Amino acid sequence: VQLVDSGGGVVQPGRSLRLSCEASGFTFSSYGMHWVRQAPGKGLQWVAGISKTGYTEDYADSVKGRFTISRDNSKKTLYLQMNSLRAEDTAVYYCAREEINWAYYYDYWGQGTLVTVSS
Amino acid sequence: DIQMTQSPSSLSATVGDRVTITCRASQSISTNLNWYLQTPGKAPKLLIYGASSLQRGVPSRFSGSGSGTVFTLTISSLQPEDFATYYCQQSYSTPRTFGPGTKVDI
Repeated sequence: VQLVDSGGGVVQPGRSLRLSCEASGFTFSSYGMHWVRQAPGKGLQWVAGISKTGYTEDYADSVKGRFTISRDNSKKTLYLQMNSLRAEDTAVYYCAREEINWAYYYDYWGQGTLVTVSS
Repeated sequence: DIQMTQSPSSLSATVGDRVTITCRASQSISTNLNWYLQTPGKAPKLLIYGASSLQRGVPSRFSGSGSGTVFTLTISSLQPEDFATYYCQQSYSTPRTFGPGTKVDI
């Protein structure tokens, strides 16, 4: 199982960026996927999640209306479209696979991609 | 939203020590509680899920317990690679909130 995050960079406030998470080594379409971020020197914050079919999405209040999570199961890729970026969105963004048996948990994580929002 | 707290926020320990970290939820989450370890510059790694189930490949010196609102992570004999930050996370509902972390250092 491997998750590879990409798409981070330096962007000005108010601009957009799209992150990608390329999956391999497992049946991507069988798992819900999530994005979790970590601001510099801070803790982990859940950002968004999407069901295995892509029909159900959920967002943290801090990004609702600005970020959109999506997936392309044919390409085994998860996306996070980030619009109207703010300085407080500066963080390392990780994608994570959510395993579901009798419990829900993130058993595999990407390596993270750094997003810096600065003028 | 369910709020998660952890105590202590940091602790100093020595190799071989028994270490216990406590996580509290603002409402009952049954056993929907996970523990992760993170070392600087790395992605988090799953240790315990469902409050007490050890993830495959994780050493047996790690154990978890609790239900409802109070949970503990115990490391029976601290090893050099265990010096890290530990996070609890509730998976009872979204947003899937994390605790603020407990940093274990020498």
